[in-house]
Amino acid sequence: NAGVMQNPRHLVRRRGQEARLRCSPMKGHSHVYWYRQLPEEGLKFMVYLQKENIIDESGMPKERFSAEFPKEGPSILRIQQVVRGDSAAYFCASSILTGENEKLFFGSGTQLSVL
Amino acid sequence: GEDVEQSLFLSVREGDSSVINCTYTDSSSTYLYWYKQEPGAGLQLLTYIFSNMDMKQDQRLTVLLNKKDKHLSLRIADTQTGDSAIYFCAERGAEEYGNKLVFGAGTILRVKS
Repeated sequence: NAGVMQNPRHLVRRRGQEARLRCSPMKGHSHVYWYRQLPEEGLKFMVYLQKENIIDESGMPKERFSAEFPKEGPSILRIQQVVRGDSAAYFCASSILTGENEKLFFGSGTQLSVL
Repeated sequence: GEDVEQSLFLSVREGDSSVINCTYTDSSSTYLYWYKQEPGAGLQLLTYIFSNMDMKQDQRLTVLLNKKDKHLSLRIADTQTGDSAIYFCAERGAEEYGNKLVFGAGTILRVKS
């Protein structure tokens, strides 16, 4: 059973371009979380999705950022018109069970660098 | 809102015990977690504890929870060089915050041989 797969591992974009980060959850997992990690900071929650639904996007910036988890295919985190401050590691996690004890399994992350 | 704080850095000698501390603010947290992150990798779940427990032991790992003081610690016995990593404490937030995991900034553990 493959783990959570994220690609690309590294993504370089120039200011103003779009960044698309992909996440394939573990087999059978229907919940996906996106977190952002800035240097020397912990992980900051961005968005929580189930298949075809955004459950909680309270951590997403109001502009330029969007996320989806379609019925088929990976979850996508999309950042439009990237700025240097978007440079960070973006981690996806998936889980199978919601409730009091939900174990999150993380991917290896995508390191986004904005030039 | 919730907040989780950890000390930033810990250095120990190989074979010694390591104790990584964490404080949190949400008294309604149901589960608390410890994750390990090695360089260039994602987070790996090490262990977790339910809030009605005081202690949980798992091989070299011992988790202590003081719910009154909202203090969580992770003790690693016989620390090895392979334990060098960043350790994150996380709490499962209250339902009003969406039950999502809230992470601390991480503690860098350096093990000297």
